[in-house]
Amino acid sequence: AQSVTQLGSHVSVSEGALVLLRCNYSSSVPPYLFWYVQYPNQGLQLLLKYTTGATLVKGINGFEAEFKKSETSFHLTKPSAHMSDAAEYFCAVSGVTGGFKTIFGAGTRLFVKA
Amino acid sequence: EAQVTQNPRYLITVTGKKLTVTCSQNMNHEYMSWYRQDPGLGLRQIYYSMNVEVTDKGDVPEGYKVSRKEKRNFPLILESPSPNQTSLYFCASSLRPLGGTSTDTQYFGPGTRLTVL
Repeated sequence: AQSVTQLGSHVSVSEGALVLLRCNYSSSVPPYLFWYVQYPNQGLQLLLKYTTGATLVKGINGFEAEFKKSETSFHLTKPSAHMSDAAEYFCAVSGVTGGFKTIFGAGTRLFVKA
Repeated sequence: EAQVTQNPRYLITVTGKKLTVTCSQNMNHEYMSWYRQDPGLGLRQIYYSMNVEVTDKGDVPEGYKVSRKEKRNFPLILESPSPNQTSLYFCASSLRPLGGTSTDTQYFGPGTRLTVL
């Protein structure tokens, strides 16, 4: 079965520091990969996605992620954290075996310290 | 404004009392989906719909029903709610199923917080 693992349910960084949120997936074929952000009391918003082509994907708010097939990873990064980045982040996969389901990771809550 | 709307936003009910959570999108999207969000579990897909009259189970469909009689609406029905269905529910839509062209994006509604006593 497909699965998504996000390492670390909570990540804390200082303002201005590098943000790294980890995501690994299980799949026998290259999947479609997504990162979403959820601010408190809001729905999810798409940050970025990988479908085909360039493996380094740039998203909104300065985030980017790199698809590494050999490592089955799709880690999310941002060079310099801002206080407004504090939120919960979800990695998701879709379009793999099992029809058109979407599988989400458990989420990583990002804290940004002043 | 392009949006996905859900009603109600908050609902407290009792075990066994049938309820419906409505979802509507104004973007002429073919694909719609329902998720539930629980702490530590992320989002889990309940049902999805590829188009009118075409629905399929997600990962946690037990205890839920859906219908897609019109393209814009995708209601979630709990015929006999139980306390383990207490959760935050999200409806979402996209032009086509995820994994299509790079222009496809899944839009989420604001969520419905359901408490079943």
